[in-house]
Amino acid sequence: DQQVKQNSPSLSVQEGRISILNCDYTNSMFDYFLWYKKYPAEGPTFLISISSIKDKNEDGRFTVFLNKSAKHLSLHIVPSQPGDSAVYFCAASLYNNNDMRFGAGTRLTVKP
Amino acid sequence: KAGVTQTPRYLIKTRGQQVTLSCSPISGHRSVSWYQQTPGQGLQFLFEYFSETQRNKGNFPGRFSGRQFSNSRSEMNVSTLELGDSALYLCASSLNTRGLSGAPTTDTQYFGPGTRLTVL
Repeated sequence: DQQVKQNSPSLSVQEGRISILNCDYTNSMFDYFLWYKKYPAEGPTFLISISSIKDKNEDGRFTVFLNKSAKHLSLHIVPSQPGDSAVYFCAASLYNNNDMRFGAGTRLTVKP
Repeated sequence: KAGVTQTPRYLIKTRGQQVTLSCSPISGHRSVSWYQQTPGQGLQFLFEYFSETQRNKGNFPGRFSGRQFSNSRSEMNVSTLELGDSALYLCASSLNTRGLSGAPTTDTQYFGPGTRLTVL
């Protein structure tokens, strides 16, 4: 039961351009969403989060947008840098519950 | 502050055997969660421990079990290994903060590097 879906397994963008990673969820009870970045041979590292009371959260080059009616969130990276090349996971949970559901991940490649 | 550590990093077992994986959380973190990562499946939640008690459980068979010690260190055990158990097993720790109402809130989880288990 895949409650969180990342339909694009990979994405390739040019350095300096915008990267947009998408994530859809099915459980309308989810109210806290996170993005994690994972490099090979390392565990995922937290990137940015958003609660359902907001529709946008920005942290430097990273912005997460939440569309609750569409059950969709996206991560924008502007400008993209080669060091951003990694697998990105989106995750969702209930606000009072550490049981997070992850998507399958999207491999981002930023070309110099 | 040291990060989450997991031992061993790599493990090879054969079908039918059992395995125990260990996770030491960040100092001060009381919640430890375990995840299984397989190609194409993303991270799937196994269970969460807090104060030596299992607080949440994912949809995995009873062959997967865990425990947490008084120092918050956690172990995960898989019995009667199957080929499909080959995966990267990740543990994550979090502070377990509480909101104004006193109810636990969702914390940022900090992951360890994982244990790569191969079942032959």
